[in-house]
Amino acid sequence: DAGVTQSPTHLIKTRGQQVTLRCSPKSGHDTVSWYQQALGQGPQFIFQYYEEEERQRGNFPDRFSGHQFPNYSSELNVNALLLGDSALYLCASSESPTDTQYFGPGTRLTVL
Amino acid sequence: AQKVTQAQTEISVVEKEDVTLDCVYETRDTTYYLFWYKQPPSGELVFLIRRNSFDEQNEISGRYSWNFQKSTSSFNFTITASQVVDSAVYFCALSEFPVHTGTASKLTFGTGTRLQVTL
Repeated sequence: DAGVTQSPTHLIKTRGQQVTLRCSPKSGHDTVSWYQQALGQGPQFIFQYYEEEERQRGNFPDRFSGHQFPNYSSELNVNALLLGDSALYLCASSESPTDTQYFGPGTRLTVL
Repeated sequence: AQKVTQAQTEISVVEKEDVTLDCVYETRDTTYYLFWYKQPPSGELVFLIRRNSFDEQNEISGRYSWNFQKSTSSFNFTITASQVVDSAVYFCALSEFPVHTGTASKLTFGTGTRLQVTL
């Protein structure tokens, strides 16, 4: 049974560019949440998707947007990249918005 | 607002020692969940345990045990007879359960405790 998968593993971008990160949830999971983890910090909640809608959002600017597809996979888009966007981006899936979240290996984004 | 505090930034122990990782939380909700996750150097967060606010029973799973005390808003994690493979960053997290939305909200994490177990 495959766990949560994310792609790509690593990504290097320059300031002002746009990036798309992808996540496939565990089999049987329909809810996807995204987190940003800066170096030496705990993960910070970006948003959660359920039934193809953004259900809850953390304190992140509109430059961060997402999407959930009918197969429950999800994308995180970040526009106009800033140096401060450099972080590990973690995707988590759960059987429902109320259930335990299981995390993928993350995508490490470096903005130069 | 919810908050999780892990005051211990880094702990170093010798293999076979017992170690306790502290977690203190703040929330205004009466219904909430508490979690512990392990993050090894590979970066993936590994789920260890989830407890709801109505269940204060301590739990033991092999060498791991958890002590939940609502009176002190603490949810501490003890590793008995630590091993080198336990070396990782451990995160405590809180999820509120807002009645008005009917859904569990985001996970709020502490800053983590880095555990180093040496031979």
